[in-house]
Amino acid sequence: DTGVSQNPRHKITKRGQNVTFRCDPISEHNRLYWYRQTLGQGPEFLTYFQNEAQLEKSRLLSDRFSAERPKGSFSTLEIQRTEQGDSAMYLCASSNVGQGAIYEQYFGPGTRLTVT
Amino acid sequence: RKEVEQDPGPFNVPEGATVAFNCTYSNSASQSFFWYRQDCRKEPKLLMSVYSSGNEDGRFTAQLNRASQYISLLIRDSKLSDSATYLCVVSLGRDDKIIFGKGTRLHILP
Repeated sequence: DTGVSQNPRHKITKRGQNVTFRCDPISEHNRLYWYRQTLGQGPEFLTYFQNEAQLEKSRLLSDRFSAERPKGSFSTLEIQRTEQGDSAMYLCASSNVGQGAIYEQYFGPGTRLTVT
Repeated sequence: RKEVEQDPGPFNVPEGATVAFNCTYSNSASQSFFWYRQDCRKEPKLLMSVYSSGNEDGRFTAQLNRASQYISLLIRDSKLSDSATYLCVVSLGRDDKIIFGKGTRLHILP
């Protein structure tokens, strides 16, 4: 399977714990995005990377959230001191931005986080 | 005004009927437009890009109206398998993040 993969698929954690999610994009894609989605809402943008550079972070991304893409391939999203409001589906997407291309994003299956 | 707005529905439509959704966007500088489909508890999947001249893919037709700042999706001869949430997506350009609408829920009734 050469699509976007995410691990774990489900995570249940207690409030105050730290969690880390991983995303492996489509191999030739240079851009990687993180989104958060809650029930009844569309995905909300969190941050994105062009290769290893983090180009933009949403105001939704508080200082408890950090994302990395150290070698321009896979990415990790860490949430420190989790709160119940962090419960959501965390989606990763990748795309390939080239000259003159209208890019399209391809999503992974998501990591569903439940904070108890 | 929200950046991307959609009627949340649900649209309950009998099988075989034609259904249309609209989506409005606030930023007149927006350049790229897409429709995604999302099944319950699944990830969004790209349905089609929306081009300035409009485009068609089988039973699906997408249109862009820049003057009124909306895009539309028309589904003809609807199938039970078309039941899903349809997400409108807008971007300022290839170097900018994309903004999702909240989605329109469609239920095709047998």
